[in-house]
Amino acid sequence: DAKTTQPNSMESNEEEPVHLPCNHSTISGTDYIHWYRQLPSQGPEYVIHGLTSNVNNRMASLAIAEDRKSSTLILHRATLRDAAVYYCIRPQGGSEKLVFGKGTKLTVNP
Amino acid sequence: DAGITQSPRHKVTETGTPVTLRCHQTENHRYMYWYRQDPGHGLRLIHYSYGVKDTDKGEVSDGYSVSRSKTEDFLLTLESATSSQTSVYFCAISAAGWVGELFFGEGSRLTVL
Repeated sequence: DAKTTQPNSMESNEEEPVHLPCNHSTISGTDYIHWYRQLPSQGPEYVIHGLTSNVNNRMASLAIAEDRKSSTLILHRATLRDAAVYYCIRPQGGSEKLVFGKGTKLTVNP
Repeated sequence: DAGITQSPRHKVTETGTPVTLRCHQTENHRYMYWYRQDPGHGLRLIHYSYGVKDTDKGEVSDGYSVSRSKTEDFLLTLESATSSQTSVYFCAISAAGWVGELFFGEGSRLTVL
């Protein structure tokens, strides 16, 4: 099964860090882990992706477990604009098929 | 912003009629994808293309066909639309397939009455 497992929803307060977990226990050694987010009424947008080591960019950090069966997207200081559905995705069986789950709806409280 | 355009952006049609959605890109990316999004299901892959005339099925391909006769265009066709195909359809493009970044279009909202 190429699906990932994420909590349906999470809440955070503005300017606090947010840790969004994702379980991908069947991932293979060459599969990248990708994170996208979708703001209301928009198409998804890329956040970050990685293979083994932790990754950082201007939007977020991605912490990947040593066994690669789980990862955590870290938003260092949540803003109201970060309220979105966050998707953790992975390719299906080494193919070009990127399979999305239902994602985690993040609510950011002022 | 990535040069990706979906058309039409909104369409209302009747059951049994054919519908074609177009995804056009100006990035010369090799990979193109069609997803649908419905409440409670997130995004589901319909079909994807890994080059001109090279396509493959996704999770929910029944009732849909695709064509890619040139790099910049990826067409999604509903041969005979049904109410269950009412959805928001997203096209995405990628230069590097599953190791790279996907760029999504703004979506096409299709209503089948």
